[in-house]
Amino acid sequence: KQEVTQIPAALSVPEGENLVLNCSFTDSAIYNLQWFRQDPGKGLTSLLLIQSSQREQTSGRLNASLDKSSGRSTLYIAASQPGDSATYLCAARQGGSEKLVFGKGTKLTVNP
Amino acid sequence: DVKVTQSSRYLVKRTGEKVFLECVQDMDHENMFWYRQDPGLGLRLIYFSYDVKMKEKGDIPEGYSVSREKKERFSLILESASTNQTSMYLCASSLGGTFPGYTFGSGTRLTVV
Repeated sequence: KQEVTQIPAALSVPEGENLVLNCSFTDSAIYNLQWFRQDPGKGLTSLLLIQSSQREQTSGRLNASLDKSSGRSTLYIAASQPGDSATYLCAARQGGSEKLVFGKGTKLTVNP
Repeated sequence: DVKVTQSSRYLVKRTGEKVFLECVQDMDHENMFWYRQDPGLGLRLIYFSYDVKMKEKGDIPEGYSVSREKKERFSLILESASTNQTSMYLCASSLGGTFPGYTFGSGTRLTVV
């Protein structure tokens, strides 16, 4: 059974810092991996999706990478801003399944 | 832009009530999902539906049922609400198959008193 882990559970950084959020998964037979952002009390907003055949995806200041062999994905945020403060979740979709398995998230605080 | 709409942002219900949570998507997506999110436990799948009138249990279906009579609408039903069902409920949809990506609704915060 797939398990997705995100470490650390919380992270606090000063504004302007580049940072990396980590996501690991136990079963490498994934179809894709998706990163989401969640603001307090709100739903999830999709940030980036990486197909199993891809190594990375970029959107603006965000870059997500995927290494299936090691069971890891990272979300890189460049030049962090206070507006980036949120919880970031990663989720893996298994091959042959429509379901996503979520990590518990990393709560990011960017201090002005 | 694609949209998943959950009918209520906040609900307060009494123990023992039958509760309906509604979700509508306007993207002609095949798959729809109900998750609950609790502190320390993350998102857990309750039920999902891969076609009209088709459903499959997720990880925590006990105490819940679902209905999908039309493609765009997926309802979560709490047969007899209990305090341990107080949670944030999130609906999502996806096109499925080789098309990637999920779209989530804004969530319903349910409190059972």
